[in-house]
Amino acid sequence: AQKVTQAQTEISVVEKEDVTLDCVYETRDTTYYLFWYKQPPSGELVFLIRRNSFDEQNEISGRYSWNFQKSTSSFNFTITASQVVDSAVYFCALSEASFNKFYFGSGTKLNVKP
Amino acid sequence: NAGVTQTPKFQVLKTGQSMTLQCAQDMNHEYMSWYRQDPGMGLRLIHYSVGAGITDQGEVPNGYNVSRSTTEDFPLRLLSAAPSQTSVYFCASSYGASGSDTQYFGPGTRLTVL
Repeated sequence: AQKVTQAQTEISVVEKEDVTLDCVYETRDTTYYLFWYKQPPSGELVFLIRRNSFDEQNEISGRYSWNFQKSTSSFNFTITASQVVDSAVYFCALSEASFNKFYFGSGTKLNVKP
Repeated sequence: NAGVTQTPKFQVLKTGQSMTLQCAQDMNHEYMSWYRQDPGMGLRLIHYSVGAGITDQGEVPNGYNVSRSTTEDFPLRLLSAAPSQTSVYFCASSYGASGSDTQYFGPGTRLTVL
């Protein structure tokens, strides 16, 4: 069965600190997809990144970076030099290759204080 | 493009009442789905549709009905509302039903059942 675990329920940092959000997943599939979504206080879900299981290259987009390690079944998300606008709930999700059903983690609430 | 739209944004029902949550997308996406978000539980799939006329159950379908008469619309019906259905409901769509297709979410409907 598929499962996504975000063990960090809530994290608080001071602006400009770096912060890493952990995501650990379980699946028996060899092909699968991993996603991160951001849910700001306004409530909508914003797509951040998609990664397939065959691509273990780390990705960087501005202050955001993602570290995918199949050996540890982890897909961690790092925000460098955090800003108040980064305050949100972040969800990690896993999708089977054959079908677009998402398995979401329970989310990590990030509080960035000025 | 408006993307995925949902109405209403907020709704309060009494136990036993019925209502329909509306969802529409203008991206010509084949796949649409409904999720509910409860505190500490991430998002869970209620129902999904891989195209007009085709629907199926997700993880938590009890108490909900769906239909898909057009590509654009995917309404969710609560037959007899119960307090356990108090939640935030998200509609999502993607180009196809493959696991590689990114799902885009609507703004959500916050439902309270008294």
